[in-house]
Amino acid sequence: DSGVTQTPKHLITATGQRVTLRCSPRSGDLSVYWYQQSLDQGLQFLIQYYNGEERAKGNILERFSAQQFPDLHSELNLSSLELGDSALYFCASSAIGQGPRGYTFGSGTRLTVV
Amino acid sequence: GNSVTQMEGPVTLSEEAFLTINCTYTATGYPSLFWYVQYPGEGLQLLLKATKADDKGSNKGFEATYRKETTSFHLEKGSVQVSDSAVYFCALSSGGYNKLIFGAGTRLAVHP
Repeated sequence: DSGVTQTPKHLITATGQRVTLRCSPRSGDLSVYWYQQSLDQGLQFLIQYYNGEERAKGNILERFSAQQFPDLHSELNLSSLELGDSALYFCASSAIGQGPRGYTFGSGTRLTVV
Repeated sequence: GNSVTQMEGPVTLSEEAFLTINCTYTATGYPSLFWYVQYPGEGLQLLLKATKADDKGSNKGFEATYRKETTSFHLEKGSVQVSDSAVYFCALSSGGYNKLIFGAGTRLAVHP
């Protein structure tokens, strides 16, 4: 157990639907990062939150949004889903001052859009 | 912008063979460099890191040296095992907020 918990592990949904992926960071970590891993695009950075505030944005579609709550867990919302959104979605967390050296990844949520 | 390029896989080796996975990067400033490993069905785990030029990161028999002059961070292991079969990702971090940028990943398959 890495300490970062992602739920659900698997999700199958239809095109046009909306889903929410959840991430609980490792205890004490204030930063949360979301990544998308697909076969043709590799591992793409989506967005980062630090202590509830958005800090960096990557290749995140307008149909996607995220937030980090006061208890530091984060949710990634994906709407108007398309077949191409099928991928593994990873969350990672890190503590103050550790930066990437302290990145801990969750086991991911596998999203299948049918 | 910043980017990481890895050799394409899959890389298929016999047990006890020597492993090299090439990684080069493009970045402004002085990035930190990382290798992550992803075993089947799992998330990414940090394998090793180097934070400045000429640093050598090492872990579990794997090594990589930060070469600023060639902008490279090649991963090596002298004798691979079947249990090393996984996908290996080279990554860099530069600038604020410590965002990691990954290479495409290289799949390694080691056969007995």
